[in-house]
Amino acid sequence: AQSVTQLGSHVSVSEGALVLLRCNYSSSVPPYLFWYVQYPNQGLQLLLKYTTGATLVKGINGFEAEFKKSETSFHLTKPSAHMSDAAEYFCAVSEIQGAQKLVFGQGTRLTINP
Amino acid sequence: DARVTQTPRDKVTEMGQEVTMRCQPILGHNTVFWYRQTMMQGLELLAYFRNRAPLDDSGMPKDRFSAEMPDATLATLKIQPSEPRDSAVYFCASGTATGTYTEAFFGQGTRLTVV
Repeated sequence: AQSVTQLGSHVSVSEGALVLLRCNYSSSVPPYLFWYVQYPNQGLQLLLKYTTGATLVKGINGFEAEFKKSETSFHLTKPSAHMSDAAEYFCAVSEIQGAQKLVFGQGTRLTINP
Repeated sequence: DARVTQTPRDKVTEMGQEVTMRCQPILGHNTVFWYRQTMMQGLELLAYFRNRAPLDDSGMPKDRFSAEMPDATLATLKIQPSEPRDSAVYFCASGTATGTYTEAFFGQGTRLTVV
């Protein structure tokens, strides 16, 4: 069964600094990978996804992520943090075959310091 | 602007009462997920449907939870009887299964408090 591990339940960076949120997955078949963002009292919103093709994918709000099969990773980055990026971020995996259900990591809360 | 609509947004109920949460998926989507979010467990998949048929409800406590899709525009999650440990935010998400993956669009959630 597929699973996702997000390293660090809480990440704090200064405004303007690099944002790096880590995600490692486990899947018996090539996965589809997603990053979602959740603002306070809101539902989850899709940031970006990897399905096939280019391993570096770009999403909304300046975020991008790179699929590295050899490292089973899908880390999320943003070159320069903005105060509005403060939120909780979830990595998710969906298998290509079978039921295609989405399984989420535990989430990483991102805090931006002025 | 198409969106998943969940009602109610907030629900406070007494232990033992029945609770029904409703979800209107985005028109044309053929897959509906129900998730529960708590601080301790994070996001747990309770059940999901494709073309209104339940595909997997293994994450749901069967003795008190039930999920249905009476028609393509309505999904319901019912808890009877409710218990304090059911307090959580319940999210519905819908999407279109492409044959290879399903991208999920989430509603705003129902915050349930059982006292």
